[in-house]
Amino acid sequence: LAKTTQPISMDSYEGQEVNITCSHNNIATNDYITWYQQFPSQGPRFIIQGYKTKVTNEVASLFIPADRKSSTLSLPRVSLSDTAVYYCLVGDEGTGFQKLVFGTGTRLLVSP
Amino acid sequence: GAVVSQHPSWVICKSGTSVKIECRSLDFQATTMFWYRQFPKQSLMLMATSNEGSKATYEQGVEKDKFLINHASLTLSTLTVTSAHPEDSSFYICSALRMLAGGIGIQYFGAGTRLSVL
Repeated sequence: LAKTTQPISMDSYEGQEVNITCSHNNIATNDYITWYQQFPSQGPRFIIQGYKTKVTNEVASLFIPADRKSSTLSLPRVSLSDTAVYYCLVGDEGTGFQKLVFGTGTRLLVSP
Repeated sequence: GAVVSQHPSWVICKSGTSVKIECRSLDFQATTMFWYRQFPKQSLMLMATSNEGSKATYEQGVEKDKFLINHASLTLSTLTVTSAHPEDSSFYICSALRMLAGGIGIQYFGAGTRLSVL
């Protein structure tokens, strides 16, 4: 299972762009990269998923370099409500995306 | 979007009783569902993988007789904590795997169940 490494915490201010980088040096060929957001006492919420290059949706962008050993979640113009823990995970398509191993995540604090 | 409903959201029980938690995928079918456990300020820990129509696969260290999992339909999986004790108090979260075109899967999570055993 590919292990992921993220910064434990990050601070930002409202209106700024936040980039959270995740390292997954042992990512396998079939692995996809998925990011989740979790608020206290709630289940994780799916943000975005990608395999290579760039993926964008209405919430965030995901940048994946050619070697796929890292990925960066970009949150444009964050607000106070974006304060949460963000998890980066890699899942193996070959096993049906089972065994998503959650790391420590990145605790993002957005201040006024 | 994909919706996963989990009930109850909060339960208090006496030591020695059993508690059942339900996880439903409301707008998609899920052959595979997962059960996680999360302690305060910690990350999610996978407990077991629930497969529709077959026995669940438990992670190492998780007692299968303690945490009974049933996945009788494509939209419902249940976790029963049998003979609960205070050390079983935790936040339990389920997820359902939604398969998309091209064989890509995404796990969608329920809101979680806070279990307090007195």
